[in-house]
Amino acid sequence: NAGVTQTPKFRVLKTGQSMTLLCAQDMNHEYMYWYRQDPGMGLRLIHYSVGEGTTAKGEVPDGYNVSRLKKQNFLLGLESAAPSQTSVYFCASSPRWRDSSKNIQYFGAGTRLSVL
Amino acid sequence: KQEVTQIPAALSVPEGENLVLNCSFTDSAIYNLQWFRQDPGKGLTSLLLIQSSQREQTSGRLNASLDKSSGRSTLYIAASQPGDSATYLCAVRDTGFQKLVFGTGTRLLVSP
Repeated sequence: NAGVTQTPKFRVLKTGQSMTLLCAQDMNHEYMYWYRQDPGMGLRLIHYSVGEGTTAKGEVPDGYNVSRLKKQNFLLGLESAAPSQTSVYFCASSPRWRDSSKNIQYFGAGTRLSVL
Repeated sequence: KQEVTQIPAALSVPEGENLVLNCSFTDSAIYNLQWFRQDPGKGLTSLLLIQSSQREQTSGRLNASLDKSSGRSTLYIAASQPGDSATYLCAVRDTGFQKLVFGTGTRLLVSP
């Protein structure tokens, strides 16, 4: 059972470089999310998607772009990486329930990104 | 703006002890509250979800309570084991669409 898979697991970038983080889920979930986790700040929502072809901004969207071309994939892009984007990035997915209070998010193992 | 606080930030106990982790939130208008477990280098695993209309949820040795009016939740772990060592996060589902607001976590170490 793969669940939510993130690639790569680790990456080191130089300031100004670009990269794309890939998230794939095999649970046929409608909703997908990208978070970043920083020491002392908890997880913060970057962008999310409620379905194929749709995306929306979260709490800290600046400097990131996302795409959801296929239901099972959610891509997070950094066009010009900055040291402030050094963080651990988590992808999550969840089903769409009629009773949305039962919605549980399933998380990937994370991507550790360092921007020098 | 919803803010979630977890106290203590770290906790170290001997095996077998019962313990309580605390979570507080500033806005009582929530849909639900979740407790997660995070192991080093891994993602989050959902432990318990309490809906806003509920007072508590139980799963095995874990019991989570919710007092929405006072903005507090506790996670009770009975007869702790070394395998319980992890970081425990609480998150509230805010009034925003599917948005979870996370606390900064409590790092638990259970020594044999």
